[in-house]
Amino acid sequence: GAVVSQHPSRVICKSGTSVKIECRSLDFQATTMFWYRQFPKQSLMLMATSNEGSKATYEQGVEKDKFLINHASLTLSTLTVTSAHPEDSSFYICSATELGMETQYFGPGTRLLVL
Amino acid sequence: GENVEQHPSTLSVQEGDSAVIKCTYSDSASNYFPWYKQELGKGPQLIIDIRSNVGEKKDQRIAVTLNKTAKHFSLHITETQPEDSAVYFCAASKGYQKVTFGIGTKLQVIP
Repeated sequence: GAVVSQHPSRVICKSGTSVKIECRSLDFQATTMFWYRQFPKQSLMLMATSNEGSKATYEQGVEKDKFLINHASLTLSTLTVTSAHPEDSSFYICSATELGMETQYFGPGTRLLVL
Repeated sequence: GENVEQHPSTLSVQEGDSAVIKCTYSDSASNYFPWYKQELGKGPQLIIDIRSNVGEKKDQRIAVTLNKTAKHFSLHITETQPEDSAVYFCAASKGYQKVTFGIGTKLQVIP
């Protein structure tokens, strides 16, 4: 149980294009989803928290117009990196929690490379 | 906000030996402490967690201890195996708020 998937697992795009990453909870309803960014050999950096049906809460320093988050259903959240640039290249990971539970279950991550 | 410190940053042990990773947290209101294992190129996987009303929890070769007074918690892996090699993250949160992660410990189990 508590499986979270992400798609795509890897994406390469040209500078200036937008990329959408999907995060799905496969066997539970995720009232809250989190988006993290991880640089090589570093810890996870929380970008934003999204609750189903409401606007995402972004961490300080994260541009909400750059990283668009939508949590339209209890099993799906999407992160869109708009007008991507090489410095946006990173490993993006989502996690999800059930209503009333503290445990975050993580997806397998998406490797983004912007050329 | 919460601050979680983790050490060591790297740890090498011989197969069969024990490994201990220690973390401290700053916010005495934190009450949930998960541990995650992350293999290269993958997302973190929950391996064990503990809540503040418990001092110790064990699951086969893995155990976690919590000292609320000192604001310390530790991960103990016994009889280490090569497949235990990975990066381990401790974390802390209060209630259902966001989780604060430590910097991670790269564990290498030498066959």
